[in-house]
Amino acid sequence: EAGVTQSPTHLIKTRGQQATLRCSPISGHTSVYWYQQALGLGLQFLLWYDEGEERNRGNFPPRFSGRQFPNYSSELNVNALELEDSALYLCASSLGGWGARAEAFFGQGTRLTVV
Amino acid sequence: GESVGLHLPTLSVQEGDNSIINCAYSNSASDYFIWYKQESGKGPQFIIDIRSNMDKRQGQRVTVLLNKTVKHLSLQIAATQPGDSAVYFCAENRGSNSGYALNFGKGTSLLVTP
Repeated sequence: EAGVTQSPTHLIKTRGQQATLRCSPISGHTSVYWYQQALGLGLQFLLWYDEGEERNRGNFPPRFSGRQFPNYSSELNVNALELEDSALYLCASSLGGWGARAEAFFGQGTRLTVV
Repeated sequence: GESVGLHLPTLSVQEGDNSIINCAYSNSASDYFIWYKQESGKGPQFIIDIRSNMDKRQGQRVTVLLNKTVKHLSLQIAATQPGDSAVYFCAENRGSNSGYALNFGKGTSLLVTP
């Protein structure tokens, strides 16, 4: 069974540009979570999608946005990129949201570098 | 244990010894906890979880202990192996008030020496 897959693995953008990151959850999982992991730091919660709707977002500016498609895959969009947006962006999926206390499985991440 | 800041706490153990990684959490409403292992260049890997109605749970070579009184979580790894070298994160689920998002600690770096 395929795990959570993210694309691209690496992305280099210049300041002010937009970045789009993609995530395919494990088959059967309806919840997708996005996290930002800056170098040497823990995982900071960004967004949670479940059944196509945004259920919660972390303490990030509105230029971080996303969506979940009918097949439960998800996109994370970062507009007006800033240098400090450089980080590893991780996607995780689970069955029915962590409200159900289900295990969450992470992808390998997209390394975004803003120059 | 967990700490705030850019420098991860590091635990160095010899191969074959037992490892104990500690984590403190702050929210008494948290009722679900997970330990993750993250190797360099990879995403976090689920190790073991525990619900707040339990104080101990065992897996293969790993044990998680939960002390709700002092809001403390620990991960014990028996007979530590070189492949256990990684950064370990504890994560807490803060329940409905936080939209069920997992809140992660800063991580502890485990280094296993031969």
